[in-house]
Amino acid sequence: EAQVTQNPRYLITVTGKKLTVTCSQNMNHEYMSWYRQDPGLGLRQIYYSMNVEVTDKGDVPEGYKVSRKEKRNFPLILESPSPNQTSLYFCASSFFSGGAGGELFFGEGSRLTVL
Amino acid sequence: RKEVEQDPGPFNVPEGATVAFNCTYSNSASQSFFWYRQDCRKEPKLLMSVYSSGNEDGRFTAQLNRASQYISLLIRDSKLSDSATYLCVVNTGNYQLIWGAGTKLIIKP
Repeated sequence: EAQVTQNPRYLITVTGKKLTVTCSQNMNHEYMSWYRQDPGLGLRQIYYSMNVEVTDKGDVPEGYKVSRKEKRNFPLILESPSPNQTSLYFCASSFFSGGAGGELFFGEGSRLTVL
Repeated sequence: RKEVEQDPGPFNVPEGATVAFNCTYSNSASQSFFWYRQDCRKEPKLLMSVYSSGNEDGRFTAQLNRASQYISLLIRDSKLSDSATYLCVVNTGNYQLIWGAGTKLIIKP
């Protein structure tokens, strides 16, 4: 089954404790992206990757890191989480860059709470 | 002004009715447009792309008005299962997708 898998789905952590949210896709997509979704603001892009070892900042990259060592994986790293990073996070992938010519496939989301 | 704006709703509509909502965008150079559907606390899923000539998929019709810089979504014969939040997405080029905050639709029996 074609899918994007994120883990963990739910996480409560404390300020400053490093965490990683994993994302894996099995569709051989070149493009992958991380979004956060907050009430009233819509999806905002954090980072995206056009291919292995190619990543770039989105609209709200501060406080986050990513890596793309393999085509299928695109982990999101919060080195020192803060309460303003409490949000719902989505990983997405696509054959076409930015989903401009095709469909973005999303993971089920990771709800993160930073105390 | 937000780059992509949607009426947040909620739109409360009786089952079987027709409902329409718009999405305005500010970048006149925007290249492609999409409607996604998001159920409560779930991931967005593509509903339909929006073409310049307009397009229809069953009960759903999407239209693009470049002169006035908006796209629309029309749902005919609405079903209870159409209750969701509808997200407008605009590709401004440079591999950037700008997402609206969504319009919440509630279909009532």
